[in-house]
Amino acid sequence: DAGITQSPRYKITETGRQVTLMCHQTWSHSYMFWYRQDLGHGLRLIYYSAAADITDKGEVPDGYVVSRSKTENFPLTLESATRSQTSVYFCASRVGGAGDTQYFGPGTRLTVL
Amino acid sequence: GIQVEQSPPDLILQEGANSTLRCNFSDSVNNLQWFHQNPWGQLINLFYIPSGTKQNGRLSATTVATERYSLLYISSSQTTDSGVYFCGKAAGNKLTFGGGTRVLVKP
Repeated sequence: DAGITQSPRYKITETGRQVTLMCHQTWSHSYMFWYRQDLGHGLRLIYYSAAADITDKGEVPDGYVVSRSKTENFPLTLESATRSQTSVYFCASRVGGAGDTQYFGPGTRLTVL
Repeated sequence: GIQVEQSPPDLILQEGANSTLRCNFSDSVNNLQWFHQNPWGQLINLFYIPSGTKQNGRLSATTVATERYSLLYISSSQTTDSGVYFCGKAAGNKLTFGGGTRVLVKP
C-alpha cells in the first residue's frame, strides 16, 4: 500500500526553467492539495482539486499551474521558476470533506538557483 | 481571511514532562485539526476536533468553539514527540494552518 508519494524528493533548478513536481495517491481520494512550507510561514495552500478536472486556487497560486486528468495524479508545474519558489512542497489527499483525515506525502525540497 | 495563531512558538521539554499547546483562530470553527511534523518532515494528522475533547494515547485535544481556541496536551512526553505541531482550521475545502509550535523533548 504505497499511499501518497511525491517525486522527485529533491530538485535543484535554475531561475526561468520549468519544473514539474509529481504527486500520486493510491487510495482514489477525491481531494488533493499542494502546499508549500517556508520558514516563518508554516504551510500555505497553493492549489487544490476536488475531483478529476476540477481545480481551484489556494492562498498562493501565482507562478504555479496544476492539472488533474486522473484521480490519482496531481502534478504541480512551476512555469518559470523563481528564487522565491525555493521551498518544501507537500502534496496531500483526503477522501471527502474538510472533516476527513488529510494525508500528506513526504515532500519535495526544491531549490531554485 | 482566517487567522490561526499558535503559541508558544518553541517549547523545550524534559522527557516525562507534560505540556499544553494553544491554537487561537479568528473565525467560528466548524473544523479544527491538529498535525504533527516529525524531525524528518513527515506530516501526520493527529486529531479532527471541531469541539469537545478527544484523546489518543498520551495526546489529547480540546476545542472550545465559543471562545475560538483549541488546546493540545502532551502528557509524559517522549523524545519521539519532538517536531512541529500545527493546527489547521478549514474554511470550505481549504485548511489554513497556524505557524506551528516547535517542540524539542530532551532525554
